[in-house]
Amino acid sequence: NAGVTQTPKFRVLKTGQSMTLLCAQDMNHEYMYWYRQDPGMGLRLIHYSVGEGTTAKGEVPDGYNVSRLKKQNFLLGLESAAPSQTSVYFCASSISGRMNTEAFFGQGTRLTVV
Amino acid sequence: GENVEQHPSTLSVQEGDSAVIKCTYSDSASNYFPWYKQELGKGPQLIIDIRSNVGEKKDQRIAVTLNKTAKHFSLHITETQPEDSAVYFCAALTGGAAGNKLTFGGGTRVLVKP
Repeated sequence: NAGVTQTPKFRVLKTGQSMTLLCAQDMNHEYMYWYRQDPGMGLRLIHYSVGEGTTAKGEVPDGYNVSRLKKQNFLLGLESAAPSQTSVYFCASSISGRMNTEAFFGQGTRLTVV
Repeated sequence: GENVEQHPSTLSVQEGDSAVIKCTYSDSASNYFPWYKQELGKGPQLIIDIRSNVGEKKDQRIAVTLNKTAKHFSLHITETQPEDSAVYFCAALTGGAAGNKLTFGGGTRVLVKP
């Protein structure tokens, strides 16, 4: 049981390049989330999805797009990377959005934009 | 939207002493408050949680308290051990445009000195 798997684990991009981060979960969870983690700022929600085919904006959605074409996958896209998007990105999933529902996190993707 | 503030940002304690981390939240509709522990190079993992209709919950050396009137909650770690060294995040579950979502505090880096 792999849980939540993120690919890639590390990436360096040049300003203006695009890339897609992949999150896959094998727990049949409905909810999936993308967070970014910056020093002193905790985990900030970028986008989330409450089920296959749905997406919603979080706190810091600008510059990112997402898609949830399959229930097990949640993709995060950067169309034109900027140095401000240098961060560690975490994907998470949960069986639902109700109370007492644990969110399971992936190992993170460290992205550097130069 | 929900705003979760966490203090202190860093905490250094002697092994065996207690550690206390405090969080406040802004949305009175928040009803579920989990705590996550993040070890170096890993994603956060749930360690304990509390619902809004409960004032205190304990699990071995860790406990959480919730004051719903004052909108603050705390994590208490007793008899700290070196393996408690990590970053701890509090969070609050609130309603979003498309469904419930977790809002995290800024994190507390705890160092337990042997």
